[in-house]
Amino acid sequence: EAGVAQSPRYKIIEKRQSVAFWCNPISGHATLYWYQQILGQGPKLLIQFQNNGVVDDSQLPKDRFSAERLKGVDSTLKIQPAKLEDSAVYLCASSSKTGIRNGREQYFGPGTRLTVT
Amino acid sequence: QKEVEQNSGPLSVPEGAIASLNCTYSDRGSQSFFWYRQYSGKSPELIMSIYSNGDKEDGRFTAQLNKASQYVSLLIRDSQPSDSATYLCAVKNAGGTSYGKLTFGQGTILTVHP
Repeated sequence: EAGVAQSPRYKIIEKRQSVAFWCNPISGHATLYWYQQILGQGPKLLIQFQNNGVVDDSQLPKDRFSAERLKGVDSTLKIQPAKLEDSAVYLCASSSKTGIRNGREQYFGPGTRLTVT
Repeated sequence: QKEVEQNSGPLSVPEGAIASLNCTYSDRGSQSFFWYRQYSGKSPELIMSIYSNGDKEDGRFTAQLNKASQYVSLLIRDSQPSDSATYLCAVKNAGGTSYGKLTFGQGTILTVHP
């Protein structure tokens, strides 16, 4: 079974530029997550999708970040304009279901390392 | 107070020793608890999950959960240099609008030296 795919793996941009990341979850996984992991910290949830609907985006900086999952499969996360503090690894994860007792385990992709200069 | 807090590291143990990693959480209604291992430059990898009070063993790993004390731990027996990594504690919130949101601790760096 193929894992979570992400691209690009690395990206270097200047502040105020825009950038987009792509994620393809494990086949059949309805729930998709985007996390931001700053060096030395644990991942922080940015947005959670259930199929193509947003379940939780409470920690997404909506003035500059946007995400979509139009067909309920792959997803894109965009930053526009980027700031220096956006330098981090952006992780995509998926699980088969949502809720407390279902789809408990989340599986992570390799991540995209973003450097903003 | 942080939602999920792990014991500060780094933690260094000799090869063959027991490594003990601790985690406390603030949401008393949390139901699911996970330990992820993250090698440098890699993504988190799920190694243990626990949902009920008590111990759960899987090979050299034992997860312990005490919901009354809001405490989760991970024991690694016969530690190997290959266990050297950052260990992340993650707690799945009880619900509300979060649909089971996973909250991570800051991680504990473990080094196993030969």
